[in-house]
Amino acid sequence: GAVVSQHPSRVICKSGTSVKIECRSLDFQATTMFWYRQFPKQSLMLMATSNEGSKATYEQGVEKDKFLINHASLTLSTLTVTSAHPEDSSFYICSARAWRHSYNEQFFGPGTRLTVL
Amino acid sequence: KQEVTQIPAALSVPEGENLVLNCSFTDSAIYNLQWFRQDPGKGLTSLLLIQSSQREQTSGRLNASLDKSSGRSTLYIAASQPGDSATYLCAVDSGGYQKVTFGTGTKLQVIP
Repeated sequence: GAVVSQHPSRVICKSGTSVKIECRSLDFQATTMFWYRQFPKQSLMLMATSNEGSKATYEQGVEKDKFLINHASLTLSTLTVTSAHPEDSSFYICSARAWRHSYNEQFFGPGTRLTVL
Repeated sequence: KQEVTQIPAALSVPEGENLVLNCSFTDSAIYNLQWFRQDPGKGLTSLLLIQSSQREQTSGRLNASLDKSSGRSTLYIAASQPGDSATYLCAVDSGGYQKVTFGTGTKLQVIP
């Protein structure tokens, strides 16, 4: 149990286009999901916290108009990179919290690699 | 603000050697700590998760320890193999609605 999926796993797009990445909790409900970004050869940095039914909370330095987050249901959060540019090329990973063995843990999706040409 | 550091940043060892990766964190009020493996261009593979109430966890050749009071965790890899070559990340979960803070990573190369 507690599986998080992401779609697509890989996307290549032209500069100026918008790209949507989906994060789904497959067998549990998640009121809170998290979006992380990883630049080449660097660690993962939190971009924003996605809350079901309310606005996302963005980390300092992350442009909310650039990275639109929608948490429309208890099993789906989407990240839309608007007017993508080459510097947005990165690895994006989402996570969601779930209870397992009486502990509340974060489970991570497999990631989406975005390449902007 | 939680900060997580991993030392060394890179490590190269001959096959068969035992090794230790280190992770330190600044805020001891953690919920759990998790070690991940990441292969180049791939996502995260969870290796071991230690709850705040636990001292260590073991899986096969891997052993992770946690010392909350000193803000440290170690990942011990026994009898290393070339297939262990990857980047290892530790991640500190502060619990509740808070985020997971990732360490800077250790890139391991095991030489045949």
